[in-house]
Amino acid sequence: QSVLTQPPSVSGALGQRVTISCTGSSSNIGAGYDVRWYQQVQGTAPKLLLNGNDNRPSGVPDRFFGSVSGTSASLAISGLQADDEADYYCQSYDSSLGAYYVFGSGTKVTVL
Amino acid sequence: EVQLVESGGGLQQPGRSLRLSCTASGFTFRDYALHWFRQAPGKGLEWVGFIRTQGYGGTTQYAASVKGRFSISRDDSKSIAYLQVNSLKTEDTAVFYCAIDSSYNGFDVWGQGTTVTVSS
Repeated sequence: QSVLTQPPSVSGALGQRVTISCTGSSSNIGAGYDVRWYQQVQGTAPKLLLNGNDNRPSGVPDRFFGSVSGTSASLAISGLQADDEADYYCQSYDSSLGAYYVFGSGTKVTVL
Repeated sequence: EVQLVESGGGLQQPGRSLRLSCTASGFTFRDYALHWFRQAPGKGLEWVGFIRTQGYGGTTQYAASVKGRFSISRDDSKSIAYLQVNSLKTEDTAVFYCAIDSSYNGFDVWGQGTTVTVSS
């Protein structure tokens, strides 16, 4: 069971905006640790989408936007495109014993 | 080109041991901590553990779920990190990835993964 909770799936039509939530606790997101987001296309390695300062690595379009509030984080994808169809994972650090780096359960984004 | 390449995966029987390798190129390997992750079929990503640079003692940390069975080491002279998995269990079946956080802002360099299947 993942430490960070995400909805299993979200969907949206081409051009629409979708949002993925990532719910944590006081030992990870709520403690102020950075939240990163990764995109994983089926059969490939994860790719860093948003880093801890909500900056986008080179090549990531500004259609991807992250935010944090309390013990939760969100990833918004605007102007949904066909190649946005992938699994998305949030990731943070956890200060509870033996946890360290934790991931969300993952959200499958389907473009209708 | 900055690159990480995993190898050593395959089919193994329960109870056996396995050593995975992560070979780095295109950057100064010794300057970075190296992390291992796994992803069971149809499941999410799980952080397995990491090894610090020699400058920080080359010490290791592991997820509670693998502590005691998994061991990470590194050979900076060869730019290789290793993940030793002992007493393999069927639930260790997964794709194993290595990655680095090159700028303390997220895991931005990943290998392509190596698949481990544990079955009798």
